[in-house]
Amino acid sequence: KQEVTQIPAALSVPEGENLVLNCSFTDSAIYNLQWFRQDPGKGLTSLLLIQSSQREQTSGRLNASLDKSSGRSTLYIAASQPGDSATYLCAVRQRNNAGNMLTFGGGTRLMVKP
Amino acid sequence: NAGVTQTPKFRVLKTGQSMTLLCAQDMNHEYMYWYRQDPGMGLRLIHYSVGEGTTAKGEVPDGYNVSRLKKQNFLLGLESAAPSQTSVYFCASSYLGQGGQPQHFGDGTRLSIL
Repeated sequence: KQEVTQIPAALSVPEGENLVLNCSFTDSAIYNLQWFRQDPGKGLTSLLLIQSSQREQTSGRLNASLDKSSGRSTLYIAASQPGDSATYLCAVRQRNNAGNMLTFGGGTRLMVKP
Repeated sequence: NAGVTQTPKFRVLKTGQSMTLLCAQDMNHEYMYWYRQDPGMGLRLIHYSVGEGTTAKGEVPDGYNVSRLKKQNFLLGLESAAPSQTSVYFCASSYLGQGGQPQHFGDGTRLSIL
């Protein structure tokens, strides 16, 4: 059974810092990996999706990398801002997984202080 | 462009009561999902559907039933609510497609069972 772990569970940084969020998964036979952002009391917003054949994806100040063989992904946030404060979740889709189902990590709660 | 809409947003039930949560999407997505999110945990899949008239069990299906009579709607039912079903429920949808498609989420339904 796939297990997804995110470390740390919570992170507090001063504004302007570059930071890295980590995601690890136990079964490397994945189809893709997706990073989400969740604001308090809200649903999930998709940030980046990396296919298993890709090494990284970039969107603005965000860069996600994938090392399938070691079962790891990182989300890099450059020049963090208070508006980046949220919970960040990673999720993997398994190969031979009907229905595009995702397995989620527990999330990293990020606080960026002004 | 509403995306994924969940109703109601909040609900308090007594143990043993029944209710139905409604999810509607206007993106013509084939796949729809119901997740629950509990404190400190990621999202766990309850049931999903790969098309109108079809449903399948996810990771935590016990105590829940679902129906997908129309492509745009996915209903989650609790026949006899229990305190263990207190949670935030999220609906999501995605396109059918090779390589996996991003899932789009609603804002959630916060359900308390007393």
